[in-house]
Amino acid sequence: VQLLQSGADMKKPGATVKISCKVSGYSFTDQYMHWIKQAPGKTLEWMGLVDPKDGEPIYAEEFQGRVTLTADTSTDTAYMELSSLRSEDTAIYYCATGYSTFFFDYWGQGTLLTVSS
Amino acid sequence: ETVLTQSPATLSLSPGERATLSCRASQSVGSYLAWYQQKPGQAPRLLIYDASIRATGIPARFTGSGSGTDFTLTISSLEPEDFAVYYCQQREKFGPGTKVDIK
Repeated sequence: VQLLQSGADMKKPGATVKISCKVSGYSFTDQYMHWIKQAPGKTLEWMGLVDPKDGEPIYAEEFQGRVTLTADTSTDTAYMELSSLRSEDTAIYYCATGYSTFFFDYWGQGTLLTVSS
Repeated sequence: ETVLTQSPATLSLSPGERATLSCRASQSVGSYLAWYQQKPGQAPRLLIYDASIRATGIPARFTGSGSGTDFTLTISSLEPEDFAVYYCQQREKFGPGTKVDIK
């Protein structure tokens, strides 16, 4: 199983970022895909999940309205789009999945997002 | 909303020593708790799920125990590669982490 994320990105405040997570080694539609944020020196923060089977997302309240999670079954790729970026969004973003809904056996390598003017 | 607290924040030990990490939930979570290890510059790695089941490939020196609100991760004899940050997790919530560093 591999989760390969897109590379580091730098955005200005107010912009939108879209991070990808391409999976291999398992059936993409069999497991939810989660997105998790880790700000510098901080703990992990769950942002939400998407069910690749039907594209149905569930968002954490903290990110509701600013995050959009999608899944493209034609390319086995999940996406996390975060809008209205601010400096506090500077963090590493991980995609993660697992055999049980909320146990994350597999993680992407992380994508560093820097938000700065 | 469940809140997870971990103690201690930092644990300073020597290789070969036993490490005992605690995670407490603000309400009962049954056995639905996981532990992760994270080293600098790396993604977290699942160690334990369902409170006490070792994930695939995790050495036997890692043991998870507890249920309800109190959980423990024990590393029986620290190896050099075990010095890292450890997080407990219950569904969408993660604890603040315990850093195990070299004394």
